[in-house]
Order: sequence, then C-alpha cells, then structure tokens
Amino acid sequence: RKEVEQDPGPFNVPEGATVAFNCTYSNSASQSFFWYRQDCRKEPKLLMSVYSSGNEDGRFTAQLNRASQYISLLIRDSKLSDSATYLCAVSFVGFQKLVFGTGTRLLVSP
Amino acid sequence: DAGITQSPRHKVTETGTPVTLRCHQTENHRYMYWYRQDPGHGLRLIHYSYGVKDTDKGEVSDGYSVSRSKTEDFLLTLESATSSQTSVYFCAISEKTSGGNNEQFFGPGTRLTVL
Repeated sequence: RKEVEQDPGPFNVPEGATVAFNCTYSNSASQSFFWYRQDCRKEPKLLMSVYSSGNEDGRFTAQLNRASQYISLLIRDSKLSDSATYLCAVSFVGFQKLVFGTGTRLLVSP
Repeated sequence: DAGITQSPRHKVTETGTPVTLRCHQTENHRYMYWYRQDPGHGLRLIHYSYGVKDTDKGEVSDGYSVSRSKTEDFLLTLESATSSQTSVYFCAISEKTSGGNNEQFFGPGTRLTVL
C-alpha cells in the first residue's frame, strides 16, 4: 500500500460546481498535511496547509480526518483557472520530509 | 514567491556523461531537497540536506549524489547519466517553524533528457 494515495481523476466539472478530493495516508504518526497545486509543466505551489480543526481560504476548504486517515480539499464555485493537478503531501513526526501523492487532476469546463 | 532558482532549466545529454544540477535559494532556509517527478510516480525524494555539509538519502538516491557547501546552494550530480534518469527535477526548500510545520516551496524545475 502506498503511503499517500489519491484518485488520479480526471475530475471533469462545469464552472460554478463544487468538487471535493480526498487523500488517504497510511502512517498514523503523520503530523503535517498539505495541499499543493501544480499546473502543467510547472512546479508545485503550496495551496494550503491542513490543520486539525480544518481551515478555509476563500473558495477552498481543507479538512483532516485522523480517525479515517484522510485529508480532503473542497473547491466551491469552480473557475476555469482551477484546472490543475492537486497534490497532497504528508509528513511524519520527527521527520522534515514530505511524502507526496501522485495527484488528482481537475478539469473545469465552461 | 520563494526565492529559488534552478539551473539549467533544460538539458539534453548523452548516456554515460556526468550532469550537475544547481539549486540556489535566497531565503536562508535550512532544509533543501531534490525530487524527481515522473508520470505515474509523482514526486519522489532523491536526497535532502538539513544544513551545510549535512545530507541524507531519499527514496530514489541510487545514481545520484549531492553536495551543499553553502546554505544557499544545493547541487545534484548524476555521475553517469542513464536514460532512466530522464525526468523533471525539482528543488525545494523549507524552514521548520516553531509550530512544527514544514511547508516546502519549490523551484521552477529542470527538464533533463538523457539520450
């Protein structure tokens, strides 16, 4: 089993739709969680950290479910510019390294 | 955007030749990382550094070496490039915060093709 798993998609949604992605992790000692956005042929860019209490940044909401060992990203009112690959990343207690999922591709259409 | 540059941005080389990729940061961050990204595998850690002259292996370190003689520079060397090392290479930096968070920020990447 991979340490961090994501549904590769693609998720095809119309503009204005709400879409959610999950990311599961296998190590219960995981400490920090992140969502990154990666555009085609570009570097990953940090979208948001995921806190235990959940957090929101505009149209984006991230949540952590430690009991079921997954994090989620909810995007409301999707824009064409949201089309990208979304990577989740997890780090474990005592380690400064991140383990990345392979990403979920989102395509938002007019 | 974090001050991270990578050079070269694109390189085509032949099997068996040595290749060095450079990552340069202006953020004075302690931690630096080299990843490769391939379809179906996502980002995989090659090597990382936790300070000047302090480095350690990642999950795909075979065939690669690194050096960090200054805080701002982290070099990745392919001693004898192979076609399986054709990939996109990303450098990243991070600085552990008092809260224990370790967000990483990425450079623009180097596209390496080994013929």
